[in-house]
Amino acid sequence: ELKVEQNPLFLSMQEGKNYTIYCNYSTTSDRLYWYRQDPGKSLESLFVLLSNGAVKQEGRLMASLDTKARLSTLHITAAVHDLSATYFCAVDRVLQGGSEKLVFGKGTKLTVNP
Amino acid sequence: EADIYQTPRYLVIGTGKKITLECSQTMGHDKMYWYQQDPGMELHLIHYSYGVNSTEKGDLSSESTVSRIRTEHFPLTLESARPSHTSQYLCASSDPRGGEQFFGPGTRLTVL
Repeated sequence: ELKVEQNPLFLSMQEGKNYTIYCNYSTTSDRLYWYRQDPGKSLESLFVLLSNGAVKQEGRLMASLDTKARLSTLHITAAVHDLSATYFCAVDRVLQGGSEKLVFGKGTKLTVNP
Repeated sequence: EADIYQTPRYLVIGTGKKITLECSQTMGHDKMYWYQQDPGMELHLIHYSYGVNSTEKGDLSSESTVSRIRTEHFPLTLESARPSHTSQYLCASSDPRGGEQFFGPGTRLTVL
């Protein structure tokens, strides 16, 4: 059974600082996704990582995927208050017959303080 | 513009009422999903569909039912709502090329 673990689950950081959120998963998968959720809102897609070694960057966020280690990281550079949100990683679970579902981590609630 | 829509966005109803949450997408995706999420908590998959006339139960047991008569439409129905059904319900559809799921704005349901 595919399990997805994120850590930390809660992260409070100061503006201008750097930090990394980790996403570990338990079985082989080549596809991993990062989403952002603001309070009371839906999920917004941030990054799609489709192969080992994939690296994507958007503004102050950079995501990477190491399929051999079954690990993805979301690195935050020089955090600003607008990045405060909950970040979810999700991994594809491919079933027999090619059907697919995403398994989500529990989310990392990020608070950036001035 | 291709998008995914959910109505209503907010719903407050009394116990025992029958409700249907609507979800429509204009992206032509075959795969659609329903998730349940309590505030600040993880997502739980409750139903999914891989195409017309295909529906499956998800990982979290739910008293709701779904139907998929048209590709673009995936409604969720509760025959008799209870306070335990109070939650946010998120609909999503996925891109067959990359598996990425796109989420609707959600329906926040409160059952009194």
